[in-house]
Amino acid sequence: GQNIDQPTEMTATEGAIVQINCTYQTSGFNGLFWYQQHAGEAPTFLSYNVLDGLEEKGRFSSFLSRSKGYSYLLLKELQMKDSASYLCAVRGGDSNYQLIWGAGTKLIIKP
Amino acid sequence: DAGVTQSPTHLIKTRGQQVTLRCSPISGHKSVSWYQQVLGQGPQFIFQYYEKEERGRGNFPDRFSARQFPNYSSELNVNALLLGDSALYLCASSWTGGEYNEQFFGPGTRLTVL
Repeated sequence: GQNIDQPTEMTATEGAIVQINCTYQTSGFNGLFWYQQHAGEAPTFLSYNVLDGLEEKGRFSSFLSRSKGYSYLLLKELQMKDSASYLCAVRGGDSNYQLIWGAGTKLIIKP
Repeated sequence: DAGVTQSPTHLIKTRGQQVTLRCSPISGHKSVSWYQQVLGQGPQFIFQYYEKEERGRGNFPDRFSARQFPNYSSELNVNALLLGDSALYLCASSWTGGEYNEQFFGPGTRLTVL
């Protein structure tokens, strides 16, 4: 079956660093995406990994290990506006074009 | 440049009714995907269309159908609505339906079934 696991909720302090983990088990793999979703809004793209390693983009970095079925999203210098849900999605499954989504990690930033 | 647009924003229907949701992709994008997102969960893939052809279908009943028009806009139809169909319906567009396929999401249609 297809399964993506993320922690339900995390809390961090403004200015700190937080790592959100994602593990996946899918019948195929053609890339992993991270999206940010503020309450009541649509998801917005953060990062894409298809090869093992770290992709850095400003305050956000994403890491992938295909052999371990594991990814993480690293957020540095946290700001209050980073309070949102972070969704991990894998392109895989029965169709190469299908995105399989985790339930999301709700990140709460405290002053 | 306009982003992905969806209509209507909100919709209230009763059980057994039918609903049509509409999506216009970003200009130049040829692929549209539909997702259902229940509160507190991640989006669930319903359909993907590319160049007016269905490219993928998620695990949804036949009550759900979709199509893509020559201008790449798309409609999602749901027949015989059930209470469990209440959700946010998201449309996402991308340049192609290929492997690297950053999807841009519209604001969604909030469907409530009473």
